[in-house]
Amino acid sequence: DQQVKQNSPSLSVQEGRISILNCDYTNSMFDYFLWYKKYPAEGPTFLISISSIKDKNEDGRFTVFLNKSAKHLSLHIVPSQPGDSAVYFCAATRPDGSGNTGKLIFGQGTTLQVKP
Amino acid sequence: ETGVTQTPRHLVMGMTNKKSLKCEQHLGHNAMYWYKQSAKKPLELMFVYNFKEQTENNSVPSRFSPECPNSSHLFLHLHTLQPEDSALYLCASSQDGLAGVETQYFGPGTRLLVL
Repeated sequence: DQQVKQNSPSLSVQEGRISILNCDYTNSMFDYFLWYKKYPAEGPTFLISISSIKDKNEDGRFTVFLNKSAKHLSLHIVPSQPGDSAVYFCAATRPDGSGNTGKLIFGQGTTLQVKP
Repeated sequence: ETGVTQTPRHLVMGMTNKKSLKCEQHLGHNAMYWYKQSAKKPLELMFVYNFKEQTENNSVPSRFSPECPNSSHLFLHLHTLQPEDSALYLCASSQDGLAGVETQYFGPGTRLLVL
C-alpha cells in the first residue's frame, strides 16, 4: 500500500505562472514532509520541508502548504521558470518510537515542464 | 570531489554475474542509505547504515548485499540478480540518522540493467 501518492505524473506550466504540485498521504503518524527536485542524470536534491505543527513554509519562490485534516500537501512555485523543469518528489517521515526519523517514504514523482 | 558520488553510473549485467556498486560521500556524514527507484515507482529505501552499523533492512532479497567499511563508503554487492531488479540505485547520506529529521543528500545514481 502506497502511503505517499502523487497522482499527477506530469504538469506543464507557462513561464511566469504558478506551478502547483500535489501530494497526498495516508499515514496520520507522519509528522514531517519534504520536497525533493530531480534533474535527469542527477540525484534528488532537497528543496523545502514542513513540520506537521505548521501549515505553511515559504522559501523564496517555493511555498509548501500542509492540510493535515485532508492529509494533503502542495508545493507552489511562483513565478515558474524554465530551470524549474524537473521531477518533483514529496516525501514523508515519522518517528519510529526510538526517535529515529531517517526513513523517508517517497511519492512516485511529478514531472514539471515550464515552457518559455 | 564534493557531495555524494556513485560508480559506475551505468551497469549492464547478466543474471549470473557478480558486480558491486560503490558510493562515497565527502560531507563528513555518519548515515548512509541505499534506495531503489524502478520505473514509474517511488524511491524505495533498501538499507540504512548509521556509524557503519546497519540499522535498517527493508525486506531486501539476499541477492543484494550491502557493505559499509567506514562512514564515507557504502557498497552494494549484487549477485544472481533478476531482470526485475533493473532500476536506478541511489545512494544518500545524512549527518546523523539517529538524531531526528535530517536532509538527505543523494548521489547521481547507478542505472542498472539486468539481462
